[in-house]
Amino acid sequence: QQQVKQSPQSLIVQKGGISIINCAYENTAFDYFPWYQQFPGKGPALLIAIRPDVSEKKEGRFTISFNKSAKQFSLHIMDSQPGDSATYFCAASKPGGFKTIFGAGTRLFVKA
Amino acid sequence: DTGVSQDPRHKITKRGQNVTFRCDPISEHNRLYWYRQTLGQGPEFLTYFQNEAQLEKSRLLSDRFSAERPKGSFSTLEIQRTEQGDSAMYLCASSLWGRFRGQTTIIYNEQFFGPGTRLTVL
Repeated sequence: QQQVKQSPQSLIVQKGGISIINCAYENTAFDYFPWYQQFPGKGPALLIAIRPDVSEKKEGRFTISFNKSAKQFSLHIMDSQPGDSATYFCAASKPGGFKTIFGAGTRLFVKA
Repeated sequence: DTGVSQDPRHKITKRGQNVTFRCDPISEHNRLYWYRQTLGQGPEFLTYFQNEAQLEKSRLLSDRFSAERPKGSFSTLEIQRTEQGDSAMYLCASSLWGRFRGQTTIIYNEQFFGPGTRLTVL
């Protein structure tokens, strides 16, 4: 049951470039959409999150764009750095949010 | 250390053996979750606790799996009669969740993950 679809599976970006990762969801009951960053051997770490009452949220170099009508949201990493090389997961949860549904992940590699 | 901790970090066992993992959440967090992550995939929800009550279990959690959170603090996940298909990273997360009357702020389910326990079943 793939309720959150993530693309691309992998991404290579030049240092200083923009990394864009996309996600689509099916369940309109979802109301919380976080992005997680995971380095090898570590647990996922919350990067940034958005609620559906806003269309964009920016924190430093990271921006989430949210399109409620299309049921899509994306992560933009501006001025990508080699240290951003990691796996990124989009996710979604419902009100009362007990479990979080994760996408399959995007492996980002930023070339120096 | 104020983060989520898990023990052990790695476990190698033979098929048919029982294993137990421990998770210590962030101290003031009332919710605790277990997820399983296989290579190249996102974490999959297994179960969660609100305080000491186990409120939901995924269909992924077969009868060989049991989780407890006896005092609403740390939690254990036990797998009995391990199978090779159980090999995965087992992740624990915790969150502070609540809607407080009289306040306009609703605390959403921001989950903080531990480093995981890597299980290898031979």
